[in-house]
Amino acid sequence: DAGVIQSPRHEVTEMGQEVTLRCKPISGHDYLFWYRQTMMRGLELLIYFNNNVPIDDSGMPEDRFSAKMPNASFSTLKIQPSEPRDSAVYFCASSLRQGLLAGGRPDTQYFGPGTRLTVL
Amino acid sequence: LAKTTQPISMDSYEGQEVNITCSHNNIATNDYITWYQQFPSQGPRFIIQGYKTKVTNEVASLFIPADRKSSTLSLPRVSLSDTAVYYCLVAQGKGYSSASKIIFGSGTRLSIRP
Repeated sequence: DAGVIQSPRHEVTEMGQEVTLRCKPISGHDYLFWYRQTMMRGLELLIYFNNNVPIDDSGMPEDRFSAKMPNASFSTLKIQPSEPRDSAVYFCASSLRQGLLAGGRPDTQYFGPGTRLTVL
Repeated sequence: LAKTTQPISMDSYEGQEVNITCSHNNIATNDYITWYQQFPSQGPRFIIQGYKTKVTNEVASLFIPADRKSSTLSLPRVSLSDTAVYYCLVAQGKGYSSASKIIFGSGTRLSIRP
């Protein structure tokens, strides 16, 4: 299995530009997560999907951020317009199941390599 | 949500056993304790998970006392390649949509020296 795939690995853009990050979860996984990691705030959960449906987006910082999952094998995280404070490493993760379907325990999350975003 | 507290950093030497303790005083009945490891420029990777007593796998052991208010990750005979950040998570196990309760704290930065 190729694991979780993210693209691009690095993105440098200018303030005000639109940025789209892409993720391909592990085949067969029902859950997909988007995280953001910075030195100041650590690893933050932004949003997660279950069977392609957004379940909790309470971690999305602003309306400039949006995420979609058009099918089970692809998700995007879009920032429009981007700002310098959005500079961070963005991780995508997937897991097979959660909660009751996982025997009542949090299931293992498999992380991608991340996208390092720099907004100038 | 159960908050976790870990040491910010630890140092050790190759061949030593390293124990990283995590405090979670308000852990709930349905919470599980999970540890992840993160190397530089990589995403976190699952190490071990437990609910009570002791859990052991090929990588580490997890010790959880009876009151479950803390847990200790034990890495036997560490090597330079164990240098990483280690995260302790306390997450709800019950409920269909419990994933949002998974919170990564600041982690412990472990440095292994020759």
